[in-house]
Amino acid sequence: AQTVTQSQPEMSVQEAETVTLSCTYDTSESDYYLFWYKQPPSRQMILVIRQEAYKQQNATENRFSVNFQKAAKSFSLKISDSQLGDAAMYFCAYRSARFGNTDKLIFGTGTRLQVFP
Amino acid sequence: AAGVIQSPRHLIKEKRETATLKCYPIPRHDTVYWYQQGPGQDPQFLISFYEKMQSDKGSIPDRFSAQQFSDYHSELNMSSLELGDSALYFCASSLGGAATDTQYFGPGTRLTVL
Repeated sequence: AQTVTQSQPEMSVQEAETVTLSCTYDTSESDYYLFWYKQPPSRQMILVIRQEAYKQQNATENRFSVNFQKAAKSFSLKISDSQLGDAAMYFCAYRSARFGNTDKLIFGTGTRLQVFP
Repeated sequence: AAGVIQSPRHLIKEKRETATLKCYPIPRHDTVYWYQQGPGQDPQFLISFYEKMQSDKGSIPDRFSAQQFSDYHSELNMSSLELGDSALYFCASSLGGAATDTQYFGPGTRLTVL
């Protein structure tokens, strides 16, 4: 079974600084997708970024980028120029590609990010 | 852009009562997922449907049932509610069988069982 581990329960960053959230996963599959979701105090789950395992290039979305190391099964999220609105719980998630596009998301336990002015 | 709609947003029930949660996926999305997020926990997968058929099942209690209708909306029926069922219930939708693989989440239904 696949597992996702987020070893940092809490992180903090100064506004305008850069922070990296860690995520590791365990799988025997070669084809899968990885995601970072953000959950602000409103509890809405918001997609931040996604990575296809077959792509070597790291995904980037504006101030958000990932460092995907497939061999090490590591998928970290870097937030540049942190803003107060980035404060939230961040979940790393795994989804198998084995059964097409209908497989479930497996989440890590989350990292709570605080942003200080 | 249209998002996933969930109703009701908040629900308060007594123990042993029944609750029905509804989910309306993004237009043209044919796959629906249900997740349960307890206080301070990560979302846990309950069940999913693709083209009105159950496609996967997770840790869903036997007291819960769900279905997807012809218009692709889904309902999660919960009976004999217990205190431990208090949680945030998310519905997510995606376009299964296509290049799009991302699940988009609704705002959730907060269920409180007293």
